[in-house]
Amino acid sequence: GAVVSQHPSRVICKSGTSVKIECRSLDFQATTMFWYRQFPKQSLMLMATSNEGSKATYEQGVEKDKFLINHASLTLSTLTVTSAHPEDSSFYICSARDPGQGGETQYFGPGTRLLVL
Amino acid sequence: AQSVTQPDIHITVSEGASLELRCNYSYGATPYLFWYVQSPGQGLQLLLKYFSGDTLVQGIKGFEAEFKRSQSSFNLRKPSVHWSDAAEYFCAVGAWGNTPLVFGKGTRLSVIA
Repeated sequence: GAVVSQHPSRVICKSGTSVKIECRSLDFQATTMFWYRQFPKQSLMLMATSNEGSKATYEQGVEKDKFLINHASLTLSTLTVTSAHPEDSSFYICSARDPGQGGETQYFGPGTRLLVL
Repeated sequence: AQSVTQPDIHITVSEGASLELRCNYSYGATPYLFWYVQSPGQGLQLLLKYFSGDTLVQGIKGFEAEFKRSQSSFNLRKPSVHWSDAAEYFCAVGAWGNTPLVFGKGTRLSVIA
């Protein structure tokens, strides 16, 4: 099946710094990627839809200036958590649609654990 | 409104016993249905999916699911559970195009000896 990678797998940073998370589709081109946030023992919360070459679409309540998304190529989307604070600590997961599968199947990355001190 | 309900938050089964995880959905368009599994600290792995055709779909790791339109259900089954199946299971519904998936809250499966 299609493979999606994320980097880094975990990151610890100080409050006020910015953190960039990369999401890559390794064996397919993804015009659309999704960013999710997951709190412990909870389901995934969609943050935004990332479209290659255009602005991301953010879900209601997600601060677009706080969570910057860039989808510069068909295989890479990045999420930058700007001026991170402890409440931003969470598990961030990206997914990508594989157009070879009809575009309806999403494949998920392994996630990035962010801890803000 | 689009929604997915997984009525069971936590299920415990004995190793070797059969398993059924329930999923009900509410979706206005023709739904595409998915089951994903997540091990602790990991991303989601696709178990199986239903788009159309045969309502009984086979997935990886010996899992299967049956789509019942009349009941708006897509229950996941496995005839004999292994200890390695202990994980969180998510049911999701989507549609054609760039529509994001809608996830259920998940069912945590514990397997005892």
